Formats: sequence, C-alpha cells, structure tokens
Amino acid sequence: EAGVAQSPRYKIIEKRQSVAFWCNPISGHATLYWYQQILGQGPKLLIQFQNNGVVDDSQLPKDRFSAERLKGVDSTLKIQPAKLEDSAVYLCASSFPTALYGYTFGSGTRLTVV
Amino acid sequence: KQEVTQIPAALSVPEGENLVLNCSFTDSAIYNLQWFRQDPGKGLTSLLLIQSSQREQTSGRLNASLDKSSGRSTLYIAASQPGDSATYLCAVKGNYGQNFVFGPGTRLSVLP
Repeated sequence: EAGVAQSPRYKIIEKRQSVAFWCNPISGHATLYWYQQILGQGPKLLIQFQNNGVVDDSQLPKDRFSAERLKGVDSTLKIQPAKLEDSAVYLCASSFPTALYGYTFGSGTRLTVV
Repeated sequence: KQEVTQIPAALSVPEGENLVLNCSFTDSAIYNLQWFRQDPGKGLTSLLLIQSSQREQTSGRLNASLDKSSGRSTLYIAASQPGDSATYLCAVKGNYGQNFVFGPGTRLSVLP
C-alpha cells in the first residue's frame, strides 16, 4: 500500500514569511495527525483530525498556525508569520480511528526559518 | 499527564554486540506502545507495536518487551550492524483516547 505522502521535503523561508505543508494519508485512515519535531527532541502533537473534524488542537499555536482537512482526506498545515523557533521537522501521520495498528508516518518536511 | 523517558540518550557500540534500549512511562493505563526508527532528516519508520495485553513482539533481530505494571518497555537488538545506526523512539498511547506521547529517543551508533 502507498504510504503517507508529504510535500515539500525541505523549505527555507525568512522570518515573518508564510509557509504551507501538504499531507496525503494512507487510504482508509480516518485519523490524521500533524507533529512538530525540534532537533534532538521527540515529536510533539500539533493537531489531530478525525475525518474532517478537529479532535485535539490543544498544542497548536493558533495565533500563527492553522490546519485544515476539508474533504477528510488530505490536509494542509500553514504557518503565518513564521518565527525562528518554528524551525523543525513537520511530520504527518495517519491511523485507523482507534490506532489499534499504530501510526504510519510520512517522511516529513524540514523547515528552516532564517 | 503521560511522560515518556528513554535511557540512554546516546549509545555507541561495536558491530556485532547485542544491545538494549529502555523506555519508561509514568501512566500504566496504556492502550499500546510503538517503537520507531528515525534516520537523520527523515520520517519515522515503525518497528514494532505492542498491545497492552501483550508482553513482547519480535521482528527479525528486534524484540520489544512490555511491563505495564513497572511502566517500562525495552527494545533488544541482536547482533547489531552499522545499518542499525539511527535514533530509536518509543511512543505510548493511553487508554482514554489520548494520542501517542513520544520519548526523546536514543541515538544509536554501531561502529564497523
């Protein structure tokens, strides 16, 4: 089966610019997650979708981050405006609703804010 | 709130050694636990998934064990190879709909 697709793989932007990341989950996975991974740390959940509804966005910095999953399939995560501390790898994962079989991750997008 | 720690933070071993990576969690009410491998600059690759009712899972040279009562899981790697060099992360999912909480990872270097 095809894996979780993410694009772009790398992005370099200046602070205060905006950036968007795209994710297409595994077919049939109703649940989609965006994680932020800062160098040397474990991934931290930003937002979880169940189909096109938000389940958990408690750790999403809503003043600058937004995410949508309009048709319950692919998703977009946006940062506007970016700060230096947003430099990280942004990982998308998907699973069945109960996560009985765990999560499957994409390759991630490495963002560098200069 | 679930907290996950991993010891050691980094490990360097000569090729051929058997090794153990440790993962500890504070809340034993878990649904399942997943071990991942991450190569530099890449995403996470799932290695093993252990359900809360299981004690261990095996895949090739990898064996993961789970002791819920003590809040611990170990990942055993037999006959390590340079290709095993990567960061290994464990993640724990709680019983009550919580998402996976990740540990900080153990960075493994296997020297030829």
